[in-house]
Amino acid sequence: AQKVTQAQTEISVVEKEDVTLDCVYETRDTTYYLFWYKQPPSGELVFLIRRNSFDEQNEISGRYSWNFQKSTSSFNFTITASQVVDSAVYFCALRNSNSGYALNFGKGTSLLVTP
Amino acid sequence: DTGVSQDPRHKITKRGQNVTFRCDPISEHNRLYWYRQTLGQGPEFLTYFQNEAQLEKSRLLSDRFSAERPKGSFSTLEIQRTEQGDSAMYLCASSLAAGHTVSYEQYFGPGTRLTVT
Repeated sequence: AQKVTQAQTEISVVEKEDVTLDCVYETRDTTYYLFWYKQPPSGELVFLIRRNSFDEQNEISGRYSWNFQKSTSSFNFTITASQVVDSAVYFCALRNSNSGYALNFGKGTSLLVTP
Repeated sequence: DTGVSQDPRHKITKRGQNVTFRCDPISEHNRLYWYRQTLGQGPEFLTYFQNEAQLEKSRLLSDRFSAERPKGSFSTLEIQRTEQGDSAMYLCASSLAAGHTVSYEQYFGPGTRLTVT
């Protein structure tokens, strides 16, 4: 079975604060892929990052960074110096290499950044 | 490079009617996926095509749902005898897998919001 848990339903921060969105996953496969997507109010899911299970290096892209830890089955997402435009619902997703091509999404975390 | 497009963006229908949605993937992408998203939830996988072949179907895809991709380009998703529980956002995504080029990330369209009254 595979499962993605995003325990934080809603987070509200003030602009320029740092914020971390948590993602915990469950899988029996040794090879799998993890993703983060952003869904702004317009509704279209925007791909942010993919991580392979065999690559535990953390990644930074501008104000965004991701912390992948296999020991705790977590793939957390941090936004540094948040901006109003970061307000959106963020989804973590998992795809196993041996069980098809479907992405299994968490329920999402709604982030509100206020001025 | 145009992204994934979906038509219509919104559809309101009465219970019992049939509806059909269209998805046009990114032009060079040979894999196409359908998902359903209800309020407050993440997208749920429905089905997947590689070229014109439908290779995977979720248990969520009841007998009233059918999807096609006749020429390996655009795809249609039809719901027959709609029920109120079918009200959701229907999302289409595409990705590329050709030779040694495989993109694991799926690129999503804007979705079709279905309301069944």
